Amino acid sequence: RKEVEQDPGPFNVPEGATVAFNCTYSNSASQSFFWYRQDCRKEPKLLMSVYSSGNEDGRFTAQLNRASQYISLLIRDSKLSDSATYLCVVNEGNNDMRFGAGTRLTVKP
Amino acid sequence: DAGVTQSPTHLIKTRGQQVTLRCSPKSGHDTVSWYQQALGQGPQFIFQYYEEEERQRGNFPDRFSGHQFPNYSSELNVNALLLGDSALYLCASSLGTSQETQYFGPGTRLLVL
Repeated sequence: RKEVEQDPGPFNVPEGATVAFNCTYSNSASQSFFWYRQDCRKEPKLLMSVYSSGNEDGRFTAQLNRASQYISLLIRDSKLSDSATYLCVVNEGNNDMRFGAGTRLTVKP
Repeated sequence: DAGVTQSPTHLIKTRGQQVTLRCSPKSGHDTVSWYQQALGQGPQFIFQYYEEEERQRGNFPDRFSGHQFPNYSSELNVNALLLGDSALYLCASSLGTSQETQYFGPGTRLLVL
């Protein structure tokens, strides 16, 4: 079983749609959690950290459920510029960062 | 403020050859981590250099080695290349060894034929 698993995708949605990505992790001792965005043929960039209480940054909302070892990312009012691959990242402790394989999102006009 | 830079951008090698990839960290950063990202996969941690020493290593064979210079720049060396080494090699820099605050470079795309 992979340490970090994500929805395989791809997700193809119209502009303005709401889309949610899910991620599960296997190590219950994992300490911190992140969502990264990676544009085609570019490097990953930190989108947001995920806090236990859930957190929001504009149109983006991240949730963490430690009991279920589950992380989610919700994007509201999708824009064309949101098209990218979204990587779920888990710090398993001791600076051991594990990346999911990513979920590809395409937002269409 | 220069971000993380990597060279070369692309590279083609044949099986059995050796390759050296280079990374210059973001201004003010002193730690460099290297990742391998195969097509369709997330980045996998190779190793991290801080104070010119390898501080942490992922599950990669000894064919993968590195170095950090006094100016904090770093090299990744891969010996006896295999077809499966074809990937995007990403360098990330940070201030201190925490990878939670790292910035990635654009990567070097390596193709092994």
